[in-house]
Amino acid sequence: GAVVSQHPSRVICKSGTSVKIECRSLDFQATTMFWYRQFPKKSLMLMATSNEGSKATYEQGVEKDKFLINHASLTLSTLTVTSAHPEDSSFYICSANPGPMNTEAFFGQGTRLTVV
Amino acid sequence: QKEVEQNSGPLSVPEGAIASLNCTYSDRGSQSFFWYRQYSGKSPELIMSIYSNGDKEDGRFTAQLNKASQYVSLLIRDSQPSDSATYLCAVILTGGGNKLTFGTGTQLKVEL
Repeated sequence: GAVVSQHPSRVICKSGTSVKIECRSLDFQATTMFWYRQFPKKSLMLMATSNEGSKATYEQGVEKDKFLINHASLTLSTLTVTSAHPEDSSFYICSANPGPMNTEAFFGQGTRLTVV
Repeated sequence: QKEVEQNSGPLSVPEGAIASLNCTYSDRGSQSFFWYRQYSGKSPELIMSIYSNGDKEDGRFTAQLNKASQYVSLLIRDSQPSDSATYLCAVILTGGGNKLTFGTGTQLKVEL
């Protein structure tokens, strides 16, 4: 399958600081990437759709000013959690489809964020 | 009614048995269905995709789709302890582009 790489895999930050998470498609170009959040023993919740060269589309209830998404190239999307608080601690995962007509999504390794 | 529903489990099966995982969805117009496996602390891994009614087999895995009943299932033959994981059913809803809607997942435990 297609390879999606996410970095970092684990990060601990202090309350009030910002954290940037990178998602790269290694062997294909992705005009769209997706960002999810997963709390322990819960399913994946879509946060936003990242669109190359344009604004991200956020799901209802997700604060766009808190979760900044940038998709500046066809292989890289970033999620920045701004002014992080302990309640933002979660597992953040990105996914991408190898082609707009390809419905199979491949996931990055995930980023475990802990805000202390 | 949730858009994609799964029993949370845990579903326990003995090693070598067939594990049957079920998923129902509410959007009758959905055309794309997926099963992902997620080990604890890891991200989801695609196992199967299915788009047409009937069965689709890949190794020990068989996906079954019945659009009339809005039901998709995953069978795992000769279950192994390494199959112990959470299995997520995902659906692309009508008009959703490539956006996946996930069920809550079924935890499978394969016992020695």
